[in-house]
Amino acid sequence: SQQGEEDPQALSIQEGENATMNCSYKTSINNLQWYRQNSGRGLVHLILIRSNEREKHSGRLRVTLDTSKKSSSLLITASRAADTASYFCATGVAGGYQKVTFGIGTKLQVIP
Amino acid sequence: GAVVSQHPSRVICKSGTSVKIECRSLDFQATTMFWYRQFPKQSLMLMATSNEGSKATYEQGVEKDKFLINHASLTLSTLTVTSAHPEDSSFYICSAPRGAAETQYFGPGTRLLVL
Repeated sequence: SQQGEEDPQALSIQEGENATMNCSYKTSINNLQWYRQNSGRGLVHLILIRSNEREKHSGRLRVTLDTSKKSSSLLITASRAADTASYFCATGVAGGYQKVTFGIGTKLQVIP
Repeated sequence: GAVVSQHPSRVICKSGTSVKIECRSLDFQATTMFWYRQFPKQSLMLMATSNEGSKATYEQGVEKDKFLINHASLTLSTLTVTSAHPEDSSFYICSAPRGAAETQYFGPGTRLLVL
């Protein structure tokens, strides 16, 4: 089964609105990462938050992590049509190179 | 930033043939690379970890004799889908961590269609 499960699986918003996606996971992690994938393309790393961090910002992105609830959220503020993509969370475990496990993703559509 | 390339980007082949997909790290060396498979509207599933100079480590349920991985150099890993069947049609993506980085750099993916 997937380590990460994103919620919602699909989200449609108007340009300028904020988009919030959630991710839940099952096991202990070293870090949690969010990636973006445009249709039929590879993945682009957005942000990484470590297990000892609670919140992190990068431009219009804000990520929170609650290890007690084993959940994370990705907030995209002031969304743009170009933000239309699928967003995945991935969990990394400690030890050696990161072997990440991906969730099922949230498909975001931003309507101009 | 670090760049990972894949070749080919798209391949169509007949059932029973073998297909080789290359993954290259363009501006850094990668002793480890990862191969993923993604079916339409689904997530990425890790298939195997490619290790330079040693055998690949396969995830449970992935047939190592069907998906041959060779990490020939510090910048190149290849995935060969042997005796491909229509159910092998998928999007194959590789990734590589740069140094001790916690994040991975992903290739653009290879779309395989087996007829």
